[in-house]
This record gives sequence, structure tokens and C-alpha cells, in this order.
Amino acid sequence: AQRVTQPEKLLSVFKGAPVELKCNYSYSGSPELFWYVQYSRQRLQLLLRHISRESIKGFTADLNKGETSFHLKKPFAQEEDSAMYYCALKAPETDKLIFGTGTRLQVFP
Amino acid sequence: DAMVIQNPRYQVTQFGKPVTLSCSQTLNHNVMYWYQQKSSQAPKLLFHYYDKDFNNEADTPDNFQSRRPNTSFCFLDIRSPGLGDAAMYLCATAKGLAGDQQFFGPGTRLTVL
Repeated sequence: AQRVTQPEKLLSVFKGAPVELKCNYSYSGSPELFWYVQYSRQRLQLLLRHISRESIKGFTADLNKGETSFHLKKPFAQEEDSAMYYCALKAPETDKLIFGTGTRLQVFP
Repeated sequence: DAMVIQNPRYQVTQFGKPVTLSCSQTLNHNVMYWYQQKSSQAPKLLFHYYDKDFNNEADTPDNFQSRRPNTSFCFLDIRSPGLGDAAMYLCATAKGLAGDQQFFGPGTRLTVL
């Protein structure tokens, strides 16, 4: 079964500290992986996707097929990074996203 | 701006009284989705349309129905809301291509009295 696991409900760091939000998935093929973010009082929006191999707002995520992980990282957290982060998986043969339960990131000044 | 719009943003209904939530998009996307999100939980897909083709999730209760009269609009009908149906309902759209992203609306928060 396809599944996305985000083990941390809450991650609290101070400004300038490194951040890693963990995401593990279970899927037998080659999935598409995404990170979506929801800032306070805003709609859910795409942060980045693995196929783009891009850095958005200083965040990067590398797909590790051996460990079935897609952890989100940022070397120096900013207060404006405080938000809810969802990891999501899409099987290539479907149009559907499967979301993890989300991690709330709090960045303190 | 091209976007996904949901109306109303807040909806209050009574137990058992039918309610309809609305979603519209100006992105001309092929796919439209409805998710249910309860507090502290992941968005849960209820169903989606690829153009006119309706795709229901196996665990979506029969109480939930959907209509897509045209490309731009999609409706979520809850025939007999129960207290357990109180949640945020999210609409999203996508082009329907490999690797593309979903664009989300702001959501409608449903309260059932």
C-alpha cells in the first residue's frame, strides 16, 4: 500500500539553526514526491518537487530510493519558515496525491 | 489572477440538512479534487474528476456526492451531514500531467450543529 510517514508532529528550532523535516514513503515503483506548505491563514501550496531538483526559499529535498525517504532540509531556518509542512506522494499512473500527516515547524527568534 | 476559489469560506448546517460546497477555477485545469481535512490530520481525498470522468475513493461515504457541470466548476454535496462531517473541505486542481502540482483553494470550513 502507498503510504507517507512524517514522524514528527512538531519541530521547534531557533532562527539560524538547521532544519530537517523527515518524510518516509512506501511505494514499490518510482513515485513522484512533493513537499507542500501551509503558512498561517494561507492556502496549501507547493514548496518543491523531487523531479525539479530545485531549491525553494533555501529548502532542498533529495529523494533517497534506498531509504525510501524525501527529507526536507534548510541550513539556516528563518522565522518566516514557520508553517505546516506536508510531504506527499503521487504514483505516476494516477492523478492522486497521498499526504503525510504533516509537521508543524516553529522557528523562534 | 488565475486561481481556485471556494465558496462559502464558512458554512454552518444542521444535522441531516443537505449542504453544497462550491469550487471554481480559472486555470482551465483538467483535474479537480475534493479533500476532507479534519483537525491535525492529513488532507484525505474524497474523489476527483479528470475532465468529466468521476473517480470515487473506495472509502468515501455514499453521503458525499460531487458534480462537475463544466470545466470551471465542481460541487461537493453532502446529503445528510453528520457531526463527524465537520471539517475543512479543500478543492484542488491540476493539469493532469506527470509531475505537475496541485493548486489548492482556501477551503470551506463546515460546521454541523
